[in-house]
Amino acid sequence: NAGVTQTPKFRILKIGQSMTLQCTQDMNHNYMYWYRQDPGMGLKLIYYSVGAGITDKGEVPNGYNVSRSTTEDFPLRLELAAPSQTSVYFCASTRAGTTDTQYFGPGTRLTVL
Amino acid sequence: RKEVEQDPGPFNVPEGATVAFNCTYSNSASQSFFWYRQDCRKEPKLLMSVYSSGNEDGRFTAQLNRASQYISLLIRDSKLSDSATYLCVVNSYSGGYQKVTFGTGTKLQVIP
Repeated sequence: NAGVTQTPKFRILKIGQSMTLQCTQDMNHNYMYWYRQDPGMGLKLIYYSVGAGITDKGEVPNGYNVSRSTTEDFPLRLELAAPSQTSVYFCASTRAGTTDTQYFGPGTRLTVL
Repeated sequence: RKEVEQDPGPFNVPEGATVAFNCTYSNSASQSFFWYRQDCRKEPKLLMSVYSSGNEDGRFTAQLNRASQYISLLIRDSKLSDSATYLCVVNSYSGGYQKVTFGTGTKLQVIP
């Protein structure tokens, strides 16, 4: 199993550009999550999904969109990049059930200039 | 009040020392608890689950106190490689779905 994979690893965007951060998991997990982590800060939940076709907002959803057309993939879309979106983005997944832990991807480091 | 609270530290301890972190949570219906470790610029990784009876994994001991709503992590004989940020994670159900809440982390620096 590859676990949770994220692409790209690094990206620099100009203000106003758009991009999609890709996240794929091969563990057949129902739940998937997108977090952002600013330097020296904790994780903040952007969006999450409890299964294919179901997504919901987290703590900081503004400026982002997601979709979940398959169990494996959970892409995060930035439509109009802003400097405030400079951060490290982590995708995570877990099997349904409160005793299960989250597995994280390696992260995407995004800089918006 | 935050749902999960941790002292951000940093905790600066010499090699070989014992150090303990606490984490408090506000939702009394929380059902599972974990400690994660995050190295600088890396993804969080599971360190250990926390069970009601307490559990140990080598130099690491985790405890849960449901009555007082806190969990703890004890690290004995600290190594330089233990330097990292330790995240407390609490799982509960909200609206029929699993909700995962991370603390902001406690930074540990083990010094030679």
